[in-house]
Amino acid sequence: RKEVEQDPGPFNVPEGATVAFNCTYSNSASQSFFWYRQDCRKEPKLLMSVYSSGNEDGRFTAQLNRASQYISLLIRDSKLSDSATYLCVDTNTGNQFYFGTGTSLTVIP
Amino acid sequence: GAVVSQHPSWVICKSGTSVKIECRSLDFQATTMFWYRQFPKQSLMLMATSNEGSKATYEQGVEKDKFLINHASLTLSTLTVTSAHPEDSSFYICSARQGASNQPQHFGDGTRLSIL
Repeated sequence: RKEVEQDPGPFNVPEGATVAFNCTYSNSASQSFFWYRQDCRKEPKLLMSVYSSGNEDGRFTAQLNRASQYISLLIRDSKLSDSATYLCVDTNTGNQFYFGTGTSLTVIP
Repeated sequence: GAVVSQHPSWVICKSGTSVKIECRSLDFQATTMFWYRQFPKQSLMLMATSNEGSKATYEQGVEKDKFLINHASLTLSTLTVTSAHPEDSSFYICSARQGASNQPQHFGDGTRLSIL
């Protein structure tokens, strides 16, 4: 089983919509999680860390559900510029980053 | 803050050439640097992890003699693809992390390598 699994999508949503992605992880002892955003042919950029208590940054909200072993990313009031691939990351208990395969989002005018 | 610079951003060269890619953390000291490879429409695949002054730890299936990694300082790591062949063509991305393993990695802008 993969350490991290994501629905690859694509998610095609109209501008202004709310969209949510989930990402499941396999190691119940995993401690740290992140969401990254990757634009086509570019490097991943850190979007936000995922804390146990959840965290919010503007239109973006990340949550961690340890009981069901998943993290989520909610985007409210989608903008055209939000179109990208969203990667979830589990650092597991060690030194590594385990990336999901990414969820593709396209926001349509 | 947390800027990572990668150079060159694009390389096209003939089969058999060795190519060196540099990764620099510009405004912080990187305890650990990572090298990834990404093929089209696929996720990032970790190739190796390096700590300053130590030998790199390579992932299973990555040839250490093929992909030479040097991490000589807290701000610079280099990846040399030796005797590159067309199948080595890919997007190579480095990342750098300051501090503990629960800290985020910050990525360079990647090197697109094309071997003819």
